[in-house]
Amino acid sequence: DSGVTQTPKHLITATGQRVTLRCSPRSGDLSVYWYQQSLDQGLQFLIQYYNGEERAKGNILERFSAQQFPDLHSELNLSSLELGDSALYFCASSVTGTNEKLFFGSGTQLSVL
Amino acid sequence: AQTVTQSQPEMSVQEAETVTLSCTYDTSESDYYLFWYKQPPSRQMILVIRQEAYKQQNATENRFSVNFQKAAKSFSLKISDSQLGDAAMYFCAYRSARLRFGAGTRLTVKP
Repeated sequence: DSGVTQTPKHLITATGQRVTLRCSPRSGDLSVYWYQQSLDQGLQFLIQYYNGEERAKGNILERFSAQQFPDLHSELNLSSLELGDSALYFCASSVTGTNEKLFFGSGTQLSVL
Repeated sequence: AQTVTQSQPEMSVQEAETVTLSCTYDTSESDYYLFWYKQPPSRQMILVIRQEAYKQQNATENRFSVNFQKAAKSFSLKISDSQLGDAAMYFCAYRSARLRFGAGTRLTVKP
């Protein structure tokens, strides 16, 4: 158990809908990362937050947004969903958000039908 | 831009034997970290081993060790005494500002 909690584990929805994925980092970790894993794109970095502030942005679509709350949990919002958004979404956390190792949650499998 | 290349999409090894997974990366930076992550069928991403670029000594974690060649930008993972539970996707990753992953190598362990 990495200590990073993601909910829900599975999510099935329809095109055009909006969903929210939730992540609770390890106790004491200030930085949260979101990754998308798909068969064709592999593991893609989406966005990083550190202590409530956005620190780095990767290949995140404009239809997607995220935030980190004062209690350090994070939410990834995906809207106007398309079939191609079906993927495994990982959250990871680290202490400071620099070069130390990341601890990953077990992921949320999103299926857009 | 930093890229991570894993040239072996699939590898197989006999139980109790040794296997080496290859990884190369491209960077102009001198300070960075390298990682190997394992993703079993459960899909959990599990850190296997970490190497700091400023350290010349290769990292080891029990049956897992790396061969880090900084000048060649190579970072291979050696798994000794392979076990059935080692079967998984293995991802090489590079981190300076952010963590970037290679495409992965699927390792099969034959009994």
